[in-house]
Formats: sequence, structure tokens, C-alpha cells
Amino acid sequence: DTGVSQDPRHKITKRGQNVTFRCDPISEHNRLYWYRQTLGQGPEFLTYFQNEAQLEKSRLLSDRFSAERPKGSFSTLEIQRTEQGDSAMYLCASSLITGTYSYEQYFGPGTRLTVT
Amino acid sequence: RKEVEQDPGPFNVPEGATVAFNCTYSNSASQSFFWYRQDCRKEPKLLMSVYSSGNEDGRFTAQLNRASQYISLLIRDSKLSDSATYLCVVNEGYSTLTFGKGTMLLVSP
Repeated sequence: DTGVSQDPRHKITKRGQNVTFRCDPISEHNRLYWYRQTLGQGPEFLTYFQNEAQLEKSRLLSDRFSAERPKGSFSTLEIQRTEQGDSAMYLCASSLITGTYSYEQYFGPGTRLTVT
Repeated sequence: RKEVEQDPGPFNVPEGATVAFNCTYSNSASQSFFWYRQDCRKEPKLLMSVYSSGNEDGRFTAQLNRASQYISLLIRDSKLSDSATYLCVVNEGYSTLTFGKGTMLLVSP
């Protein structure tokens, strides 16, 4: 399968614990995005990378959240000291940017986080 | 605040019906537009891009009205498998996407 992959698919954690999610984008894509989706809402942008550079972060991304893409390939999203409000589906997407043209974003299956 | 607004539905239609969804966006500088489809507890999947001239893909037709800042999706000859949530998506620049909350479609036999 050459699509976007995410791991784990499901994570249940206790409040206060740290969690880390991984995303592997489509191999030729240079942009990688993280979104969060809660029930009844559309996905909300968190942050994105172009290659290894983190170019934009949403105000939704509190100090407890950090994302990395160290070699411009896979990315990790870490949430420290999880809260019940962090329970959501965390979606990763990737796309290709060439010059000024931005191609469509393709999403991974998501990581569903439940904080108890 | 940049927003994308959609009627949440649900739209309940019989098989074979034609159904249309509209979506409005607030940022007049928006550059590109998409419809994504999302099945229950699955990731969004790109249905089609929306071009200024309008575009058609089989039973699906998308239209863009920049002057009125709305986007539409028309589904003809609805199938049971079309049941899903349809997300209107706007790209203000060349980076992030802004999603509407989605319109739920239920196609019944």
C-alpha cells in the first residue's frame, strides 16, 4: 500500500500520560499535515511541514503538543500530559508542492485517541 | 475568522434521486476548493477538486461561484454506496485546508 499510513490506529491512555503518534506520508510528497477531528466536526488544522521544516502551527497546538519531521520523511506528533479534551481522531495528510502549485492532500486512516 | 459553512443534514433520499449540497466560504482570497467524502469513522477521501469552470466526474458535478462565495456538489442517480458525509474544503493559499463540518447523506433503497 503506497498511501499515507499512521500508527497506532487506536490509543487509550490515562490522563496525564504522554503519547506519540507516527505518520508515514506518500513517499514522493514533500508536505505533511496534522489535523484533529472530533465527533460532528470537520478536521481542524494543527500544523504542517515542508520537508523537515515546520512552516505553520495552529493556535490549537498548545505547548503540550509537539511535532517533528526530522528527515523530511515520517513525522511524529507528541502530546504531553494528556487531558480528556485531547480525545479525538488525529489525522495525517500529505501532498506534493511543485513551484507554486499545490496538489491535493491525501489522508491517512488516523489515530483515534481516547483519554480516560 | 475564516469559515466554511455547510448544512449538516442529514439529507435522506431514495436510490436514484438527485441531491445537491451547497457550501459557503468567508475568505474571498481562497485559492482552491475541494469536496471530500468521509465514511463513518474513516479518513476523508478526495472526491473531486472544484474548478472555476465547473467540473463533472460521472454522476458528480461540482460548481464554484466566486462572486457569491459558494460551492455546490450535485449527485445524480444516487446509489446506496453514496451514503457518507460530504466535506466542503477550501484552501486559502498553498498550505492548509479549512473544512466545513460536513453534510450527511443517507440513501435508502
